[in-house]
Amino acid sequence: GAGVSQTPSNKVTEKGKYVELRCDPISGHTALYWYRQSLGQGPEFLIYFQGTGAADDSGLPNDRFFAVRPEGSVSTLKIQRTERGDSAVYLCASSLSGTEQETQYFGPGTRLLVL
Amino acid sequence: GDSVTQMEGPVTLSEEAFLTINCTYTATGYPSLFWYVQYPGEGLQLLLKATKADDKGSNKGFEATYRKETTSFHLEKGSVQVSDSAVYFCALLSGGYNKLIFGAGTRLAVHP
Repeated sequence: GAGVSQTPSNKVTEKGKYVELRCDPISGHTALYWYRQSLGQGPEFLIYFQGTGAADDSGLPNDRFFAVRPEGSVSTLKIQRTERGDSAVYLCASSLSGTEQETQYFGPGTRLLVL
Repeated sequence: GDSVTQMEGPVTLSEEAFLTINCTYTATGYPSLFWYVQYPGEGLQLLLKATKADDKGSNKGFEATYRKETTSFHLEKGSVQVSDSAVYFCALLSGGYNKLIFGAGTRLAVHP
């Protein structure tokens, strides 16, 4: 079946601009996660959705970052007033219901470059 | 807070050599532990996992044993192939079971 998909695969923007990154989880998965992977590092947790609600947003670095999942399926990560330090690969993952035993399945990521 | 430390790369091996990639963790309680792999040009894939002490996860010839005494989850393979060349990430599940904490990754290069 279809895995997690993310669009766009690459995004180049200028400092100060607004960007939106989209994630389509595996059909039927209620849990959705966003991570950020900087060059040469492991992914870092940003936010976790259970259904439509953000159950844990402790990883969002500041108030320029915001994510939504209005219908409990597709999620959008929004970054306002982008900075060069926001350049990274943004990864989305989903799991069936967010319990401990479940595997998180990752998408291919969106590579964001802020000039 | 919870953290994962894994050996720095790159690790360069000849085909059929024995592989060990060290991973240690710091955590409250006994989290589930994972190895993820990222092949060139592809997304992160789960390689194996272990959910409690002394469990052994295995897949594709790779193994790792959850060692509570040494807080370790070292990845091993008896005979590596060129196709195993990738970046390997050790991770633990934290924060009420919804947050993966990753190590920095170890790049493996296997030469014929």
